[in-house]
Amino acid sequence: GAVVSQHPSWVICKSGTSVKIECRSLDFQATTMFWYRQFPKQSLMLMATSNEGSKATYEQGVEKDKFLINHASLTLSTLTVTSAHPEDSSFYICSGPSIRRGYTFGSGTRLTVV
Amino acid sequence: QKEVEQDPGPLSVPEGAIVSLNCTYSNSAFQYFMWYRQYSRKGPELLMYTYSSGNKEDGRFTAQVDKSSKYISLFIRDSQPSDSATYLCAMSPLISNFGNEKLTFGTGTRLTIIP
Repeated sequence: GAVVSQHPSWVICKSGTSVKIECRSLDFQATTMFWYRQFPKQSLMLMATSNEGSKATYEQGVEKDKFLINHASLTLSTLTVTSAHPEDSSFYICSGPSIRRGYTFGSGTRLTVV
Repeated sequence: QKEVEQDPGPLSVPEGAIVSLNCTYSNSAFQYFMWYRQYSRKGPELLMYTYSSGNKEDGRFTAQVDKSSKYISLFIRDSQPSDSATYLCAMSPLISNFGNEKLTFGTGTRLTIIP
């Protein structure tokens, strides 16, 4: 089946630093990648849609300058949390659409900002 | 009113029972329906997807869509403790250019299968 590889799975960082999360589509080309945030015991909240070779589209209320998204190739999209604060601590998940297997999710990244 | 409504549970059933999970939706443009299973601290895993009304079966799982009632269901037969997870329904409009449509998710139902 379609596979989306997400790294790191878990990261701790200090307040004020930046963290980069990578998502790779291993066996399909993704012109679009979706980035979600999930709080404990809650559903997925779409943050932004990354588009290969162009600017990402952000959902209302999501700070573009804090959550930098880059989609430089058909197999790699990155989310960088800049100047992280404790309130940015969350579970971040990417999803890529595969024609064969529908919308496939990465394994998620648990970010803890201390 | 949310576009997709899903009972958050929690739902506990004994091992071997048939589990019924449901979602209702209000947007008649939704044509593409999915069920995901999510274990704690993991990304959602796609279980079933369907474009049309009716039933679709895959092993112990059956997805059912009733567009006239705007109601979808997931049935799990012979439930196992390993089925304990959160189940999310998701849907989107018919995709003319696949991959560009956002998914709308239910809140998820927490399911526990008791041995």
